Amino acid sequence: GQNIDQPTEMTATEGAIVQINCTYQTSGFNGLFWYQQHAGEAPTFLSYNVLDGLEEKGRFSSFLSRSKGYSYLLLKELQMKDSASYLCAGSARQLTFGSGTQLTVLP
Amino acid sequence: GAVVSQHPSRVICKSGTSVKIECRSLDFQATTMFWYRQFPKQSLMLMATSNEGSKATYEQGVEKDKFLINHASLTLSTLTVTSAHPEDSSFYICSARDLRGGTEAFFGQGTRLTVV
Repeated sequence: GQNIDQPTEMTATEGAIVQINCTYQTSGFNGLFWYQQHAGEAPTFLSYNVLDGLEEKGRFSSFLSRSKGYSYLLLKELQMKDSASYLCAGSARQLTFGSGTQLTVLP
Repeated sequence: GAVVSQHPSRVICKSGTSVKIECRSLDFQATTMFWYRQFPKQSLMLMATSNEGSKATYEQGVEKDKFLINHASLTLSTLTVTSAHPEDSSFYICSARDLRGGTEAFFGQGTRLTVV
């Protein structure tokens, strides 16, 4: 099975940088996903890491350490529209989601 | 990116009736689709894995006779909530992976079910 842990809530200021951490314990690990979900909407794909290291995509970057069972999502130059829930998901036979981190960006 | 279409987006039904939700992959084929349920301020919980041409695989605690899943083709899976009760009110989301081996799971828009 899989166990995914991430903080419940985070708050940051517009223009700042925020890092959302995720730890996982999983069998048959096949990569780690990050999704963004606004209230009442379906998740949208942000990133996928299967190898160790940092993947950068615009303002968003994601890091994976398989030996530590650890990942983080880094959001730079925060904007108000980045206020959302960020879901960490481990991939094996299917995706297993963490509880999500509700990020609030303040002006 | 690939598109998964889910219909309806919102439905209100009376207690005791049945509701069918459709999930279609529009521009790719998916042998496997996944059905999730999400309660307010909680994460997505996998209900079942829908396999084309065979029976669905249900997660522990999910009643297969209440949540009927049919995966009739490589592009369509349906979830029917039978004899709905108010506690079934939730946000139901489907996802699909491309048959060609894509690493990304594409999500439908979700269905907000309210049972009154």
